[in-house]
Amino acid sequence: DGGITQSPKYLFRKEGQNVTLSCEQNLNHDAMYWYRQDPGQGLRLIYYSQIVNDFQKGDIAEGYSVSREKKESFPLTVTSAQKNPTAFYLCASSTRSGRSDTQYFGPGTRLTVL
Amino acid sequence: AQKITQTQPGMFVQEKEAVTLDCTYDTSDPSYGLFWYKQPSSGEMIFLIYQGSYDQQNATEGRYSLNFQKARKSANLVISASQLGDSAMYFCAMRENNYGQNFVFGPGTRLSVLP
Repeated sequence: DGGITQSPKYLFRKEGQNVTLSCEQNLNHDAMYWYRQDPGQGLRLIYYSQIVNDFQKGDIAEGYSVSREKKESFPLTVTSAQKNPTAFYLCASSTRSGRSDTQYFGPGTRLTVL
Repeated sequence: AQKITQTQPGMFVQEKEAVTLDCTYDTSDPSYGLFWYKQPSSGEMIFLIYQGSYDQQNATEGRYSLNFQKARKSANLVISASQLGDSAMYFCAMRENNYGQNFVFGPGTRLSVLP
């Protein structure tokens, strides 16, 4: 089955700790994205990557870092510099060749800072 | 400025009736795509339907159709024969060609289907 997996589903972190959220896709998509969603809000773009070894900041990149060493994987690190990291994090991927380039999403990771 | 506007924070519909969720957008790019996603309480974003700016006909996917009015910059989602499982948040999104592969999402509309 092709799709996007995110782990863990729930994550608890103490203040001052870095934490890494996993995102893997087997859709052979070139582009991958990380979004943050706060309660009752829409999605805001954190980082995106169009190809391996390249990524760009989105609208709210401060306090986050990413890497794209493999096409299938796009992990997100929430650093201690992120002032308010408690949120729902969604990973997505898409092709870059079609007119629609629909983004498909993983199930999300809910991060809570204690 | 808001690129995607969804003016209905919450909507109610009776089971088996049709409902329209509003979406207006703002772009100067002649080539763009419009998308609707459903987000149930589990949190996953489910792709529903796509409309390209050059598409001549309104998109349809099963019980979902998109009422695309280009001159008014409107892309309303119509759900026919509502089911209890349609209760969820619905997000309108846009991808502009000049903005690369990035999407802009609206604030969402919460739909509640009543039995």
